[in-house]
Amino acid sequence: AQSVTQLGSHVSVSEGALVLLRCNYSSSVPPYLFWYVQYPNQGLQLLLKYTSAATLVKGINGFEAEFKKSETSFHLTKPSAHMSDAAEYFCAVSAQGGSEKLVFGKGTKLTVNP
Amino acid sequence: NAGVTQTPKFRILKIGQSMTLQCTQDMNHNYMYWYRQDPGMGLKLIYYSVGAGITDKGEVPNGYNVSRSTTEDFPLRLELAAPSQTSVYFCASSQLAYETQYFGPGTRLLVL
Repeated sequence: AQSVTQLGSHVSVSEGALVLLRCNYSSSVPPYLFWYVQYPNQGLQLLLKYTSAATLVKGINGFEAEFKKSETSFHLTKPSAHMSDAAEYFCAVSAQGGSEKLVFGKGTKLTVNP
Repeated sequence: NAGVTQTPKFRILKIGQSMTLQCTQDMNHNYMYWYRQDPGMGLKLIYYSVGAGITDKGEVPNGYNVSRSTTEDFPLRLELAAPSQTSVYFCASSQLAYETQYFGPGTRLLVL
């Protein structure tokens, strides 16, 4: 079975600073990994996903994530935070080619200070 | 494409009342899901469906029922509303079980 741990339920950064949101996963088979973003009072939308093609994945709005098998991690980064990045971010894992559904982390709320 | 649509956006129910949350997708996806989201708890899967006529329980199915008579629609039924069902409900769909899920805008439900 798959599981996801997001370290830090709240992260606060200054505008222009590096954004780093941490995600560690557990999977007995090669995983698919996802980051979703949820803006206030909206549904979740896909930010990026890892499907084994490349370990460094680029997503929308300047975000990227790196799959590190040895560390079982898929941390989300953005070099320079913008006020519009304030949202809640969810990491999710599933099993490649399997019947397992996505398993979501509990989310990290990102605050961007001016 | 509208994607995944949900109605209503917001509803207040009295304890013991019933209601149906509607969900429709126009992407011809096989898989559909219902989640509830509570503050600090992430998303919890209530029910899911792998195709018309086939549904299965998720992590928190008690107090809910679903049906899937068509590929497009996946309504969620609350029979006897309880305060513990106050939450935000999201419907999602995907083509394959392990692939990207597409979410609706959510239904905010308050049970008093």
